Amino acid sequence: AQSVSQHNHHVILSEAASLELGCNYSYGGTVNLFWYVQYPGQHLQLLLKYFSGDPLVKGIKGFEAEFIKSKFSFNLRKPSVQWSDTAEYFCAVNAGEYGNKLVFGAGTILRVKS
Amino acid sequence: EPEVTQTPSHQVTQMGQEVILRCVPISNHLYFYWYRQILGQKVEFLVSFYNNEISEKSEIFDDQFSVERPDGSNFTLKIRSTKLEDSAMYFCASSEWGSYNEQFFGPGTRLTVL
Repeated sequence: AQSVSQHNHHVILSEAASLELGCNYSYGGTVNLFWYVQYPGQHLQLLLKYFSGDPLVKGIKGFEAEFIKSKFSFNLRKPSVQWSDTAEYFCAVNAGEYGNKLVFGAGTILRVKS
Repeated sequence: EPEVTQTPSHQVTQMGQEVILRCVPISNHLYFYWYRQILGQKVEFLVSFYNNEISEKSEIFDDQFSVERPDGSNFTLKIRSTKLEDSAMYFCASSEWGSYNEQFFGPGTRLTVL
């Protein structure tokens, strides 16, 4: 069965610090990869996605993620976080040929101190 | 920008009662999904729905659960006889196409079973 691991459950950073959130998945075939964000009181929103092509994917609000197939990883990065990035971040995987469902990681709560 | 909407935002019910959670997917989307998140746990896939039938369901989605698209706009999740362990946040999502496509999530319905 597919599974997704997010390494940090809580991350606290100061504004302007760099961010990297880890995500590893367990599935050997073709995967589609996503990062979703949930701001306080809001619904899940897509930050970025990877289907194929350039493994470095750029998303909204200055976020990017790198797909490293050999490491089964899809880490999320941002060079300089802002207070408004305080949210919960979810990595999700879809094994394309096995249906449409998303398998989510446990989420990482990011708190940015101003 | 089109959004997925869900009603109610919070539902409280007694154990053994039936509940219906409602969702209005984005109008031109063809695939619909329900996920749930028990407090402190991962977002879990329940069911996907396409062309007026279930296309995939998880082990969680047992005979107590059903989904329906009663008209051209609503998508409902029914739990026939609620249990305490059904208490969770239930998210509806929709996508234009299948797996190679972003799923747009609604704000969720918090179900509390007493």
